[in-house]
Amino acid sequence: EIVLTQSPGTLSLSPGERATLSCRASQSVSSYYVAWYQQKPGQAPRLLIYGPSSRATGIPDRFSGSGSGTDFTLTISRLEPEDFAVYYCQQFDNSPQTFGQGTKVEIK
Amino acid sequence: QLQLQESGPGLAKPSETLSLTCSVSGASISSSNYYWAWIRQPPGKGLEWIGSIYYTAVSYYNPSLKSRVTISLDTANNQISLRLSSVTAADTAVYYCARPLNAAVVRDVFHIWGQGTMVTVSS
Repeated sequence: EIVLTQSPGTLSLSPGERATLSCRASQSVSSYYVAWYQQKPGQAPRLLIYGPSSRATGIPDRFSGSGSGTDFTLTISRLEPEDFAVYYCQQFDNSPQTFGQGTKVEIK
Repeated sequence: QLQLQESGPGLAKPSETLSLTCSVSGASISSSNYYWAWIRQPPGKGLEWIGSIYYTAVSYYNPSLKSRVTISLDTANNQISLRLSSVTAADTAVYYCARPLNAAVVRDVFHIWGQGTMVTVSS
Protein backbone atom coordinates (compact mmCIF):
# COMPACT_ATOMS: atom_id res chain seq x y z
CA GLU A 1 0.00 0.00 0.00
CA ILE A 2 1.15 3.53 -0.75
CA VAL A 3 1.72 5.58 2.39
CA LEU A 4 1.13 9.31 2.14
CA THR A 5 3.03 11.50 4.60
CA GLN A 6 1.81 15.06 5.00
CA SER A 7 3.89 17.91 6.37
CA PRO A 8 3.89 19.94 8.41
CA GLY A 9 1.47 18.51 10.92
CA THR A 10 0.33 21.99 11.82
CA LEU A 11 0.77 25.25 9.92
CA SER A 12 0.24 28.48 11.86
CA LEU A 13 -0.49 31.40 9.53
CA SER A 14 -2.38 34.66 9.41
CA PRO A 15 -5.24 35.52 7.07
CA GLY A 16 -3.87 36.82 3.78
CA GLU A 17 -0.74 34.69 3.96
CA ARG A 18 0.20 31.92 1.55
CA ALA A 19 -0.09 28.32 2.71
CA THR A 20 2.00 25.52 1.24
CA LEU A 21 1.10 21.98 2.27
CA SER A 22 3.15 18.94 1.32
CA CYS A 23 2.18 15.35 0.62
CA ARG A 24 4.89 12.77 0.01
CA ALA A 25 4.12 9.30 -1.31
CA SER A 26 6.07 6.16 -0.44
CA GLN A 27 6.24 5.34 -4.15
CA SER A 28 5.61 7.18 -7.37
CA VAL A 29 2.02 8.19 -8.10
CA SER A 30 0.61 9.75 -11.25
CA SER A 31 -0.43 13.33 -10.60
CA TYR A 32 -3.73 12.51 -12.30
CA TYR A 33 -4.56 10.32 -9.32
CA VAL A 34 -3.88 12.68 -6.44
CA ALA A 35 -6.57 14.70 -4.68
CA TRP A 36 -6.90 17.11 -1.79
CA TYR A 37 -9.72 17.54 0.71
CA GLN A 38 -10.61 20.10 3.33
CA GLN A 39 -12.26 19.11 6.60
CA LYS A 40 -13.70 21.36 9.25
CA PRO A 41 -14.60 20.18 12.78
CA GLY A 42 -17.69 17.98 12.86
CA GLN A 43 -17.99 17.92 9.08
CA ALA A 44 -17.26 15.42 6.36
CA PRO A 45 -14.28 16.04 4.09
CA ARG A 46 -14.89 18.30 1.11
CA LEU A 47 -13.20 17.66 -2.22
CA LEU A 48 -10.96 20.55 -3.27
CA ILE A 49 -8.51 19.51 -5.97
CA TYR A 50 -8.06 16.40 -8.13
CA GLY A 51 -5.84 15.39 -10.98
CA PRO A 52 -3.04 17.72 -11.90
CA SER A 53 -4.96 20.90 -11.19
CA SER A 54 -8.71 20.48 -11.40
CA ARG A 55 -10.78 22.27 -8.81
CA ALA A 56 -14.02 20.74 -7.62
CA THR A 57 -17.25 22.63 -8.16
CA GLY A 58 -17.40 25.85 -6.20
CA ILE A 59 -13.76 25.80 -5.07
CA PRO A 60 -12.14 29.24 -5.41
CA ASP A 61 -9.05 29.70 -7.54
CA ARG A 62 -6.88 30.56 -4.55
CA PHE A 63 -6.59 26.78 -4.12
CA SER A 64 -4.17 25.01 -6.44
CA GLY A 65 -2.42 21.67 -6.64
CA SER A 66 0.90 20.70 -8.14
CA GLY A 67 3.56 18.04 -8.04
CA SER A 68 4.71 14.83 -9.60
CA GLY A 69 6.27 11.50 -8.74
CA THR A 70 6.30 11.29 -4.96
CA ASP A 71 5.96 14.96 -4.00
CA PHE A 72 2.73 16.90 -4.19
CA THR A 73 1.72 20.32 -2.93
CA LEU A 74 -1.50 22.10 -2.12
CA THR A 75 -1.15 25.88 -2.21
CA ILE A 76 -3.62 28.38 -0.84
CA SER A 77 -2.52 31.69 -2.30
CA ARG A 78 -4.14 33.99 0.24
CA LEU A 79 -5.75 32.50 3.32
CA GLU A 80 -9.31 33.52 4.02
CA PRO A 81 -10.85 33.03 7.49
CA GLU A 82 -12.89 30.06 6.20
CA ASP A 83 -9.72 28.25 5.01
CA PHE A 84 -8.51 27.38 8.51
CA ALA A 85 -9.15 23.66 8.64
CA VAL A 86 -7.48 20.26 8.22
CA TYR A 87 -6.36 19.20 4.76
CA TYR A 88 -5.87 15.65 3.52
CA CYS A 89 -4.24 14.30 0.40
CA GLN A 90 -5.39 11.09 -1.30
CA GLN A 91 -3.90 8.81 -3.92
CA PHE A 92 -6.11 6.63 -6.05
CA ASP A 93 -3.47 5.42 -8.47
CA ASN A 94 -2.90 2.14 -6.65
CA SER A 95 -5.15 -0.11 -4.66
CA PRO A 96 -5.99 0.37 -1.91
CA GLN A 97 -6.56 4.07 -2.31
CA THR A 98 -5.04 5.82 0.67
CA PHE A 99 -5.08 9.15 2.46
CA GLY A 100 -2.49 11.16 4.33
CA GLN A 101 -2.77 11.87 8.03
CA GLY A 102 -3.61 15.52 7.51
CA THR A 103 -2.19 19.02 7.93
CA LYS A 104 -3.98 21.44 10.20
CA VAL A 105 -3.92 25.07 9.10
CA GLU A 106 -4.53 27.20 12.16
CA ILE A 107 -4.76 30.91 12.78
CA LYS A 108 -1.52 32.38 14.08
CA GLN B 1 -29.94 16.34 -5.21
CA LEU B 2 -28.05 13.29 -4.01
CA GLN B 3 -27.82 12.90 -0.25
CA LEU B 4 -26.27 10.20 1.91
CA GLN B 5 -27.18 9.54 5.54
CA GLU B 6 -25.36 7.04 7.74
CA SER B 7 -27.00 5.40 10.73
CA GLY B 8 -26.25 2.71 13.23
CA PRO B 9 -25.59 2.02 16.90
CA GLY B 10 -23.18 4.49 18.43
CA LEU B 11 -21.67 1.82 20.65
CA ALA B 12 -20.41 -1.69 19.99
CA LYS B 13 -18.79 -4.22 22.29
CA PRO B 14 -15.44 -5.82 21.51
CA SER B 15 -15.71 -9.00 19.41
CA GLU B 16 -19.20 -8.08 18.19
CA THR B 17 -20.25 -7.39 14.62
CA LEU B 18 -20.92 -3.77 13.78
CA SER B 19 -23.71 -3.01 11.31
CA LEU B 20 -24.16 0.39 9.68
CA THR B 21 -26.53 1.66 7.03
CA CYS B 22 -26.19 4.41 4.46
CA SER B 23 -29.54 5.72 3.21
CA VAL B 24 -29.41 7.25 -0.25
CA SER B 25 -31.86 9.86 -1.48
CA GLY B 26 -31.92 11.56 -4.85
CA ALA B 27 -30.77 8.51 -6.80
CA SER B 28 -31.55 4.83 -7.09
CA ILE B 29 -28.59 2.67 -6.10
CA SER B 30 -29.90 -0.22 -8.21
CA SER B 31 -29.58 1.79 -11.41
CA SER B 32 -26.85 4.27 -10.51
CA ASN B 33 -23.66 3.48 -12.36
CA TYR B 34 -21.40 4.30 -9.41
CA TYR B 35 -19.35 2.56 -6.78
CA TRP B 36 -20.62 3.38 -3.30
CA ALA B 37 -17.89 3.55 -0.68
CA TRP B 38 -17.44 3.31 3.07
CA ILE B 39 -14.60 5.35 4.59
CA ARG B 40 -13.73 5.72 8.25
CA GLN B 41 -11.80 8.18 10.40
CA PRO B 42 -10.55 7.34 13.90
CA PRO B 43 -10.69 10.28 16.32
CA GLY B 44 -7.97 12.80 15.50
CA LYS B 45 -6.60 10.68 12.67
CA GLY B 46 -6.71 10.41 8.91
CA LEU B 47 -9.13 8.70 6.57
CA GLU B 48 -9.18 5.02 5.65
CA TRP B 49 -11.03 3.55 2.68
CA ILE B 50 -12.91 0.45 3.86
CA GLY B 51 -14.43 -0.76 0.62
CA SER B 52 -16.75 -0.05 -2.28
CA ILE B 53 -19.70 -1.74 -3.96
CA TYR B 54 -21.05 -1.36 -7.48
CA TYR B 55 -24.75 -1.34 -8.34
CA THR B 56 -24.27 -4.87 -9.68
CA ALA B 57 -23.17 -5.84 -6.13
CA VAL B 58 -19.54 -6.35 -7.13
CA SER B 59 -17.47 -5.25 -4.16
CA TYR B 60 -13.85 -4.39 -3.38
CA TYR B 61 -12.31 -4.16 0.08
CA ASN B 62 -9.22 -2.75 1.70
CA PRO B 63 -6.91 -5.76 2.24
CA SER B 64 -6.29 -4.62 5.81
CA LEU B 65 -9.98 -5.17 6.61
CA LYS B 66 -11.07 -7.65 3.97
CA SER B 67 -11.39 -10.64 6.30
CA ARG B 68 -13.84 -8.76 8.54
CA VAL B 69 -15.85 -6.57 6.17
CA THR B 70 -18.97 -7.11 4.11
CA ILE B 71 -20.61 -4.35 2.10
CA SER B 72 -23.99 -5.04 0.54
CA LEU B 73 -26.88 -3.33 -1.21
CA ASP B 74 -30.46 -3.18 0.06
CA THR B 75 -32.15 -2.05 -3.13
CA ALA B 76 -35.66 -2.27 -1.67
CA ASN B 77 -34.79 0.46 0.81
CA ASN B 78 -32.17 2.22 -1.33
CA GLN B 79 -29.49 1.61 1.29
CA ILE B 80 -25.89 0.46 1.42
CA SER B 81 -24.90 -1.68 4.38
CA LEU B 82 -21.59 -2.22 6.13
CA ARG B 83 -20.86 -5.12 8.44
CA LEU B 84 -17.59 -5.27 10.34
CA SER B 85 -16.98 -8.33 12.47
CA SER B 86 -14.81 -8.96 15.52
CA VAL B 87 -14.51 -5.29 16.34
CA THR B 88 -11.90 -3.92 18.72
CA ALA B 89 -11.15 -0.48 20.14
CA ALA B 90 -9.11 0.18 16.99
CA ASP B 91 -12.37 0.22 15.03
CA THR B 92 -13.59 3.25 16.96
CA ALA B 93 -14.13 5.89 14.30
CA VAL B 94 -16.52 8.09 12.39
CA TYR B 95 -17.85 6.02 9.52
CA TYR B 96 -18.75 7.78 6.29
CA CYS B 97 -20.45 6.62 3.15
CA ALA B 98 -19.40 8.41 0.00
CA ARG B 99 -19.87 8.44 -3.75
CA PRO B 100 -17.06 9.04 -6.23
CA LEU B 101 -17.02 11.84 -8.74
CA ASN B 102 -16.87 9.55 -11.74
CA ALA B 103 -19.16 6.70 -12.70
CA ALA B 104 -18.03 3.08 -12.89
CA VAL B 105 -14.64 3.74 -11.27
CA VAL B 106 -13.75 2.05 -7.99
CA ARG B 107 -10.65 4.16 -7.37
CA ASP B 108 -11.57 7.81 -7.58
CA VAL B 109 -12.01 11.04 -5.69
CA PHE B 110 -14.96 11.19 -3.33
CA HIS B 111 -17.34 13.92 -4.32
CA ILE B 112 -20.40 13.36 -2.16
CA TRP B 113 -20.23 12.38 1.50
CA GLY B 114 -22.69 11.62 4.23
CA GLN B 115 -22.32 13.46 7.50
CA GLY B 116 -20.82 10.39 9.17
CA THR B 117 -21.78 8.33 12.17
CA MET B 118 -19.55 7.89 15.22
CA VAL B 119 -19.02 4.36 16.47
CA THR B 120 -17.28 3.65 19.76
CA VAL B 121 -16.10 0.13 20.55
CA SER B 122 -16.02 -0.38 24.29
CA SER B 123 -17.15 -2.90 26.82
